[in-house]
Amino acid sequence: GAGVSQSPSNKVTEKGKDVELRCDPISGHTALYWYRQRLGQGLEFLIYFQGNSAPDKSGLPSDRFSAERTGESVSTLTIQRTQQEDSAVYLCASSLLGGYNSPLHFGNGTRLTVT
Amino acid sequence: DQQVKQNSPSLSVQEGRISILNCDYTNSMFDYFLWYKKYPAEGPTFLISISSIKDKNEDGRFTVFLNKSAKHLSLHIVPSQPGDSAVYFCAASRGGSEKLVFGKGTKLTVNP
Repeated sequence: GAGVSQSPSNKVTEKGKDVELRCDPISGHTALYWYRQRLGQGLEFLIYFQGNSAPDKSGLPSDRFSAERTGESVSTLTIQRTQQEDSAVYLCASSLLGGYNSPLHFGNGTRLTVT
Repeated sequence: DQQVKQNSPSLSVQEGRISILNCDYTNSMFDYFLWYKKYPAEGPTFLISISSIKDKNEDGRFTVFLNKSAKHLSLHIVPSQPGDSAVYFCAASRGGSEKLVFGKGTKLTVNP
């Protein structure tokens, strides 16, 4: 398919474990974003990549969260020592260039449940 | 501090009638506004946007109105169709930032 692909679609983990979430953006899209949506809340910005660089990582909630992007393509979001408040749907989006005239295309998300 | 507010968690309208979804913002630095639609278990999809230099933008059945003095925008859907039933998110950004600030969403139900 031509859309943004995220894996896994669901992840249940025990508190204290590390998790890794994967995003495959639309081919050729230079900008990549991670958002999360906690229950009953709006989408919350986490980090933005332009190419393999992250000019804005201001939304990462703590140093337990990190993300990388390689080959101007795949991105992984890693959460170390997960806590129950990390439970959320984690959404990845990509856009052709970034900026106002380049709408975000979202994946279907990874639902993370920390028990 | 919630900078983008959608005060109606839900809205129900009859097929063929107008749906009006509202959004308020507090940050006067926001200069670009978007609406996204989300079906269950799917990611949001872009619907329509408006720059702060305009007060109206129209795309087919969808029109977004912006009132900068009131820091208010609205999305009008005319005529509403059952397939429009979804959660609608309002989002805002400011110049130089790639970050979108989202509201909590309004669940629209269009009854046949």
